[in-house]
Amino acid sequence: QQQVKQSPQSLIVQKGGISIINCAYENTAFDYFPWYQQFPGKGPALLIAIRPDVSEKKEGRFTISFNKSAKQFSLHIMDSQPGDSATYFCAASKGDGSARQLTFGSGTQLTVLP
Amino acid sequence: GAVVSQHPSRVICKSGTSVKIECRSLDFQATTMFWYRQFPKQSLMLMATSNEGSKATYEQGVEKDKFLINHASLTLSTLTVTSAHPEDSSFYICSASPRGSSSGANVLTFGAGSRLTVL
Repeated sequence: QQQVKQSPQSLIVQKGGISIINCAYENTAFDYFPWYQQFPGKGPALLIAIRPDVSEKKEGRFTISFNKSAKQFSLHIMDSQPGDSATYFCAASKGDGSARQLTFGSGTQLTVLP
Repeated sequence: GAVVSQHPSRVICKSGTSVKIECRSLDFQATTMFWYRQFPKQSLMLMATSNEGSKATYEQGVEKDKFLINHASLTLSTLTVTSAHPEDSSFYICSASPRGSSSGANVLTFGAGSRLTVL
């Protein structure tokens, strides 16, 4: 059972454009929603994260929008740059935000054209 | 910031041999480390939770005798793929959270991964 559904599978954006990646979850017990960035041949790195008590979190060019009632959250990358080209994973965890309970989405391969 | 190092980054072995992958927390102590497996263009799947000084906790469907995990110190966990076969070829990634933290996902640091190719 896939508990976190991520779309699109791949995304191509022009430099300067906005990249939007969406995720939906099923388990209402999830209480921590991070986004990870992974470059080829490297491990994932935490990009930004949100808890369900807020509807939006912004860090630089990266924004998470969270809709608790719809059980959806999304990552927006403003002014996308070629260096942002990577695979992005959403994730969710429940309870105390235990890493053991971290469930990843299927990933989105982002390509930003120069 | 916290750094997790994995070694080797790439390894090629013959079918039937065993391969050991090391995961080290370089600037912090980690009571708990996690091992993931990632197939090409797919997501990360948690294999097991490695606990310092005790047995690892394996996820459902992961063979304990195939994937041996040892967490002998607060800075080192090892994953040994025993009697490796081509279907074990994958990208293995570890992560760790600092000792004293809640082992929460918000304090996880991932290693750079180890690419295993079994011929």
